[in-house]
Amino acid sequence: SYVLTQPPSMSVAPGETANIPCGGNNIGTDSVHWYQQRPGQAPVLVIYYDSDRPSGIPERFSGSNSGNTATLTISRVEAGDEADYYCQVWDSRSDHVVFGGGTKLTVL
Amino acid sequence: QITLKESGPTLVKPTQTLTLTCTVSGFSLNNDRLGVSWLRQPPGKALEWLALIYWDDDKRYNPSLRSRLTITKDTSKNQVVLTMINMAPVDTATYFCAHSSGWYLDFWGQGTLVTVSS
Repeated sequence: SYVLTQPPSMSVAPGETANIPCGGNNIGTDSVHWYQQRPGQAPVLVIYYDSDRPSGIPERFSGSNSGNTATLTISRVEAGDEADYYCQVWDSRSDHVVFGGGTKLTVL
Repeated sequence: QITLKESGPTLVKPTQTLTLTCTVSGFSLNNDRLGVSWLRQPPGKALEWLALIYWDDDKRYNPSLRSRLTITKDTSKNQVVLTMINMAPVDTATYFCAHSSGWYLDFWGQGTLVTVSS
Protein backbone atom coordinates (compact mmCIF):
# COMPACT_ATOMS: atom_id res chain seq x y z
CA SER A 1 0.00 0.00 0.00
CA TYR A 2 0.93 3.65 -0.35
CA VAL A 3 3.54 4.82 2.19
CA LEU A 4 4.06 8.39 3.41
CA THR A 5 7.45 9.07 5.02
CA GLN A 6 8.07 11.80 7.58
CA PRO A 7 11.15 12.46 9.74
CA PRO A 8 10.35 11.43 13.32
CA SER A 9 11.56 14.71 14.76
CA MET A 10 12.72 18.20 13.91
CA SER A 11 13.78 21.19 15.95
CA VAL A 12 13.68 24.90 15.19
CA ALA A 13 14.42 28.10 17.06
CA PRO A 14 11.66 30.59 17.76
CA GLY A 15 11.20 33.05 14.91
CA GLU A 16 12.76 30.69 12.38
CA THR A 17 11.03 28.69 9.64
CA ALA A 18 10.15 24.99 9.93
CA ASN A 19 9.83 22.96 6.74
CA ILE A 20 8.31 19.57 7.51
CA PRO A 21 8.57 17.11 4.60
CA CYS A 22 6.24 14.27 3.67
CA GLY A 23 7.62 11.87 1.08
CA GLY A 24 5.63 9.57 -1.18
CA ASN A 25 5.86 8.08 -4.64
CA ASN A 26 4.57 10.79 -7.01
CA ILE A 27 2.83 12.48 -4.09
CA GLY A 28 2.65 15.60 -6.24
CA THR A 29 -0.24 13.97 -8.11
CA ASP A 30 -2.24 13.60 -4.86
CA SER A 31 -3.89 16.13 -2.58
CA VAL A 32 -2.08 16.34 0.76
CA HIS A 33 -3.59 17.41 4.06
CA TRP A 34 -1.77 18.31 7.28
CA TYR A 35 -2.75 18.04 10.94
CA GLN A 36 -1.30 19.47 14.12
CA GLN A 37 -1.65 17.45 17.31
CA ARG A 38 -0.64 18.93 20.62
CA PRO A 39 -0.03 16.53 23.55
CA GLY A 40 -3.22 15.06 24.92
CA GLN A 41 -5.39 16.71 22.29
CA ALA A 42 -7.19 15.66 19.14
CA PRO A 43 -5.59 16.51 15.79
CA VAL A 44 -6.45 19.82 14.13
CA LEU A 45 -6.51 20.34 10.38
CA VAL A 46 -4.02 23.09 9.46
CA ILE A 47 -3.65 22.65 5.67
CA TYR A 48 -5.93 20.92 3.14
CA TYR A 49 -5.62 20.31 -0.58
CA ASP A 50 -1.88 20.94 -0.45
CA SER A 51 -1.99 24.63 0.44
CA ASP A 52 -5.42 25.79 1.64
CA ARG A 53 -5.83 27.00 5.21
CA PRO A 54 -9.00 26.42 7.24
CA SER A 55 -10.47 29.47 8.89
CA GLY A 56 -8.72 30.28 12.14
CA ILE A 57 -5.34 28.85 11.10
CA PRO A 58 -2.63 31.55 11.06
CA GLU A 59 -1.13 32.65 7.76
CA ARG A 60 2.22 31.45 9.12
CA PHE A 61 1.11 27.95 8.10
CA SER A 62 1.47 27.12 4.41
CA GLY A 63 1.91 24.06 2.23
CA SER A 64 3.33 22.92 -1.08
CA ASN A 65 3.41 19.67 -3.02
CA SER A 66 5.48 18.61 -6.00
CA GLY A 67 7.22 15.54 -7.30
CA ASN A 68 7.85 13.08 -4.48
CA THR A 69 7.63 15.52 -1.55
CA ALA A 70 4.93 17.60 0.09
CA THR A 71 6.02 20.24 2.61
CA LEU A 72 4.33 21.97 5.52
CA THR A 73 5.99 25.32 6.19
CA ILE A 74 5.59 27.17 9.48
CA SER A 75 7.02 30.67 9.36
CA ARG A 76 8.06 32.69 12.41
CA VAL A 77 7.76 29.64 14.63
CA GLU A 78 6.33 30.19 18.10
CA ALA A 79 6.52 28.09 21.25
CA GLY A 80 2.86 27.17 20.78
CA ASP A 81 3.68 25.45 17.48
CA GLU A 82 5.45 22.65 19.33
CA ALA A 83 3.40 19.59 18.42
CA ASP A 84 3.23 16.47 16.28
CA TYR A 85 2.44 17.07 12.61
CA TYR A 86 0.90 14.46 10.32
CA CYS A 87 0.48 14.44 6.56
CA GLN A 88 -2.44 12.55 4.98
CA VAL A 89 -3.65 11.58 1.53
CA TRP A 90 -6.53 9.61 0.07
CA ASP A 91 -4.92 6.64 -1.66
CA SER A 92 -7.07 6.32 -4.76
CA ARG A 93 -5.26 3.14 -5.78
CA SER A 94 -6.64 1.22 -2.80
CA ASP A 95 -9.43 3.62 -1.85
CA HIS A 96 -8.52 4.49 1.71
CA VAL A 97 -6.97 7.14 3.95
CA VAL A 98 -3.22 7.04 4.58
CA PHE A 99 -1.24 8.96 7.21
CA GLY A 100 2.44 9.61 7.50
CA GLY A 101 4.22 8.51 10.65
CA GLY A 102 4.22 12.02 12.08
CA THR A 103 6.95 14.55 12.88
CA LYS A 104 7.50 15.85 16.38
CA LEU A 105 8.41 19.52 16.12
CA THR A 106 10.41 20.90 19.02
CA VAL A 107 10.79 24.65 19.47
CA LEU A 108 14.18 25.26 21.05
CA GLN B 1 -21.20 24.33 15.08
CA ILE B 2 -20.03 20.83 14.18
CA THR B 3 -19.16 18.56 17.09
CA LEU B 4 -18.45 14.86 17.45
CA LYS B 5 -18.19 12.82 20.63
CA GLU B 6 -16.99 9.26 21.05
CA SER B 7 -18.40 6.90 23.66
CA GLY B 8 -17.95 3.28 24.61
CA PRO B 9 -16.14 1.00 27.04
CA THR B 10 -12.80 2.05 28.47
CA LEU B 11 -11.73 -1.55 29.11
CA VAL B 12 -12.31 -4.68 27.06
CA LYS B 13 -10.93 -8.17 27.44
CA PRO B 14 -8.89 -9.97 24.78
CA THR B 15 -11.05 -11.72 22.15
CA GLN B 16 -14.05 -9.51 22.98
CA THR B 17 -15.83 -7.25 20.52
CA LEU B 18 -15.47 -3.48 20.85
CA THR B 19 -18.43 -1.25 20.00
CA LEU B 20 -17.87 2.50 19.84
CA THR B 21 -20.43 5.21 19.14
CA CYS B 22 -19.80 8.62 17.60
CA THR B 23 -22.60 11.08 18.32
CA VAL B 24 -22.58 14.09 16.03
CA SER B 25 -24.25 17.48 16.04
CA GLY B 26 -24.28 20.52 13.79
CA PHE B 27 -24.76 18.46 10.62
CA SER B 28 -26.86 15.65 9.23
CA LEU B 29 -25.44 12.26 8.34
CA ASN B 30 -27.53 12.49 5.17
CA ASN B 31 -25.69 15.62 3.96
CA ASP B 32 -24.45 15.26 0.39
CA ARG B 33 -20.75 14.32 0.02
CA LEU B 34 -20.25 14.06 3.77
CA GLY B 35 -18.39 11.28 5.55
CA VAL B 36 -17.50 10.22 9.07
CA SER B 37 -14.32 8.30 9.78
CA TRP B 38 -13.00 6.32 12.72
CA LEU B 39 -9.30 6.48 13.54
CA ARG B 40 -7.08 5.35 16.40
CA GLN B 41 -3.77 6.21 17.99
CA PRO B 42 -1.88 3.80 20.27
CA PRO B 43 -0.08 5.53 23.15
CA GLY B 44 2.95 7.38 21.82
CA LYS B 45 2.36 6.23 18.25
CA ALA B 46 1.00 7.58 14.98
CA LEU B 47 -2.55 8.04 13.79
CA GLU B 48 -4.16 5.11 11.98
CA TRP B 49 -7.31 5.42 9.89
CA LEU B 50 -9.81 2.59 10.38
CA ALA B 51 -13.02 3.14 8.43
CA LEU B 52 -15.24 5.68 6.68
CA ILE B 53 -18.97 5.83 6.02
CA TYR B 54 -20.45 8.23 3.48
CA TRP B 55 -23.76 10.10 3.44
CA ASP B 56 -25.12 7.52 0.98
CA ASP B 57 -24.06 4.58 3.22
CA ASP B 58 -21.07 3.69 1.06
CA LYS B 59 -18.21 2.39 3.22
CA ARG B 60 -14.44 2.10 3.10
CA TYR B 61 -12.09 0.16 5.40
CA ASN B 62 -8.40 0.01 6.20
CA PRO B 63 -7.31 -3.03 4.17
CA SER B 64 -5.17 -4.40 7.00
CA LEU B 65 -8.11 -4.41 9.45
CA ARG B 66 -11.04 -4.90 7.11
CA SER B 67 -11.92 -8.40 8.32
CA ARG B 68 -12.39 -7.13 11.89
CA LEU B 69 -14.29 -3.89 11.31
CA THR B 70 -17.86 -2.88 10.65
CA ILE B 71 -19.05 0.73 10.36
CA THR B 72 -22.72 1.72 10.35
CA LYS B 73 -24.80 4.84 10.87
CA ASP B 74 -28.15 5.64 12.41
CA THR B 75 -29.28 8.91 10.91
CA SER B 76 -32.25 9.28 13.25
CA LYS B 77 -29.92 9.16 16.27
CA ASN B 78 -27.10 11.17 14.63
CA GLN B 79 -24.73 8.32 15.41
CA VAL B 80 -21.98 6.40 13.64
CA VAL B 81 -21.03 3.06 15.18
CA LEU B 82 -17.79 1.10 14.80
CA THR B 83 -17.45 -2.52 15.82
CA MET B 84 -14.12 -4.29 15.99
CA ILE B 85 -14.03 -8.01 16.69
CA ASN B 86 -11.39 -10.14 18.35
CA MET B 87 -9.71 -7.37 20.34
CA ALA B 88 -6.11 -7.82 21.47
CA PRO B 89 -3.73 -5.81 23.70
CA VAL B 90 -2.15 -4.24 20.59
CA ASP B 91 -5.54 -2.60 19.92
CA THR B 92 -5.13 -0.45 23.04
CA ALA B 93 -5.44 3.09 21.73
CA THR B 94 -7.32 6.35 21.77
CA TYR B 95 -10.13 6.05 19.24
CA PHE B 96 -11.31 9.16 17.39
CA CYS B 97 -14.18 9.88 15.04
CA ALA B 98 -13.91 12.71 12.53
CA HIS B 99 -16.06 14.55 9.98
CA SER B 100 -15.01 14.98 6.38
CA SER B 101 -16.52 16.98 3.56
CA GLY B 102 -13.72 16.19 1.14
CA TRP B 103 -10.67 13.98 1.25
CA TYR B 104 -9.61 15.52 4.57
CA LEU B 105 -10.83 15.39 8.19
CA ASP B 106 -11.94 18.83 9.28
CA PHE B 107 -13.63 18.22 12.62
CA TRP B 108 -12.56 15.69 15.24
CA GLY B 109 -13.98 14.31 18.44
CA GLN B 110 -11.93 14.48 21.63
CA GLY B 111 -11.16 10.75 21.48
CA THR B 112 -11.77 7.91 23.89
CA LEU B 113 -9.08 5.65 25.36
CA VAL B 114 -9.77 1.94 25.08
CA THR B 115 -7.55 -0.48 26.97
CA VAL B 116 -7.48 -4.15 26.09
CA SER B 117 -6.47 -6.26 29.06
CA SER B 118 -7.59 -9.33 30.93
